[in-house]
Amino acid sequence: EAAVTQSPRNKVAVTGGKVTLSCNQTNNHNNMYWYRQDTGHGLRLIHYSYGAGSTEKGDIPDGYKASRPSQENFSLILELATPSQTSVYFCASGDNWGGQDTQYFGPGTRLLVL
Amino acid sequence: GEQVEQRPPHLSVREGDSAVITCTYTDPNSYYFFWYKQEPGASLQLLMKVFSSTEINEGQGFTVLLNKKDKRLSLNLTAAHPGDSAAYFCAVSATGNYKYVFGAGTRLKVIA
Repeated sequence: EAAVTQSPRNKVAVTGGKVTLSCNQTNNHNNMYWYRQDTGHGLRLIHYSYGAGSTEKGDIPDGYKASRPSQENFSLILELATPSQTSVYFCASGDNWGGQDTQYFGPGTRLLVL
Repeated sequence: GEQVEQRPPHLSVREGDSAVITCTYTDPNSYYFFWYKQEPGASLQLLMKVFSSTEINEGQGFTVLLNKKDKRLSLNLTAAHPGDSAAYFCAVSATGNYKYVFGAGTRLKVIA
């Protein structure tokens, strides 16, 4: 099973500030994903990546950027944080086997934007 | 695009009773189905992955049924116990598409 870690685990930011959420996985998975989780919405896909150097827009990319500098690391960047981005953010890696992905999730980052 | 509706949003059952959570999806090309469990304050833990070719899948204390004709996926927890209290999410993806579409989740409470 993939080992996915996230940092920080909790973050308080001010409106207009820059926030970077980091994700690291140690199982050499090609695919990585960033989701946010809000009550009543399940998980919604923000950005994803198929490998180092690649990033793709998910279903709700506005206000977010992503960076995949290496196989292991995938960052989510909020250039100008807003209170509406207060949420719990989950990173996942996918094993890309047999034409489908089984996604393994990190512990989550709780972000509060004041 | 794919839409996944999960019901019920909240479910309370007594210990020893069964609990059924259902997801309906819209894309007939959906081929891979997943159930995740999330305990309070924790991450998502994979319960089971189901392929379109298999309609009945059994795990430890639960059964997953796939009805392709009705595009419905269900998780049936048999003899629920307090440790099953958690949020459960279904996720659906199509062949060749690694992206998941998640249901909104079901918060299950098992009363001792």
